[in-house]
Amino acid sequence: DQQVKQNSPSLSVQEGRISILNCDYTNSMFDYFLWYKKYPAEGPTFLISISSIKDKNEDGRFTVFLNKSAKHLSLHIVPSQPGDSAVYFCAASAKGAQKLVFGQGTRLTINP
Amino acid sequence: NAGVTQTPKFQVLKTGQSMTLQCAQDMNHEYMSWYRQDPGMGLRLIHYSVGAGITDQGEVPNGYNVSRSTTEDFPLRLLSAAPSQTSVYFCASSFSTGGSYNSPLHFGNGTRLTVT
Repeated sequence: DQQVKQNSPSLSVQEGRISILNCDYTNSMFDYFLWYKKYPAEGPTFLISISSIKDKNEDGRFTVFLNKSAKHLSLHIVPSQPGDSAVYFCAASAKGAQKLVFGQGTRLTINP
Repeated sequence: NAGVTQTPKFQVLKTGQSMTLQCAQDMNHEYMSWYRQDPGMGLRLIHYSVGAGITDQGEVPNGYNVSRSTTEDFPLRLLSAAPSQTSVYFCASSFSTGGSYNSPLHFGNGTRLTVT
């Protein structure tokens, strides 16, 4: 039972345009959401997070949107750069659960 | 500034062999965990520990053992390797609460394990 789902295995975007990565979740107890970025042969690195009391969090070129009623979050990257090419994982946590649940990942490719 | 160090980087085992994947962190993090990454499955939690002497099972614990005798180290043991355990294994740590609430997980660079 996949509680966090990233339904797009891959996404290709032109440099300078907006990249939108999507994530859906099923567990209504999740109250904190994170995005991680992973380059080949490296471990994932934390990118940005959002608490369920907010619907938007912004950090430079990266913005995460949370729609609690739809159980959906998205990561926007504007403008996209070649260095953004990586696998992006969505993750969620329930209060007190002591663990993160990850999605399957989306491979983002930024084309020059 | 080592962060989370995993050894070895690569390992090939035959079915039935045992081995230990090492993980050490130098950030004085209380929380440590092991994930495996498989194509189409994302990262799945194997075991985790909220402090020395305390461990608990994650989503896919079968076939793996862990112990936490010190804050710094969290080894993962495969007692009898099976081809289904072919995967990339990541160790991760954080100050507290399993990687949420302003205490994100810090990952090592992984161990690629092949079981033949």
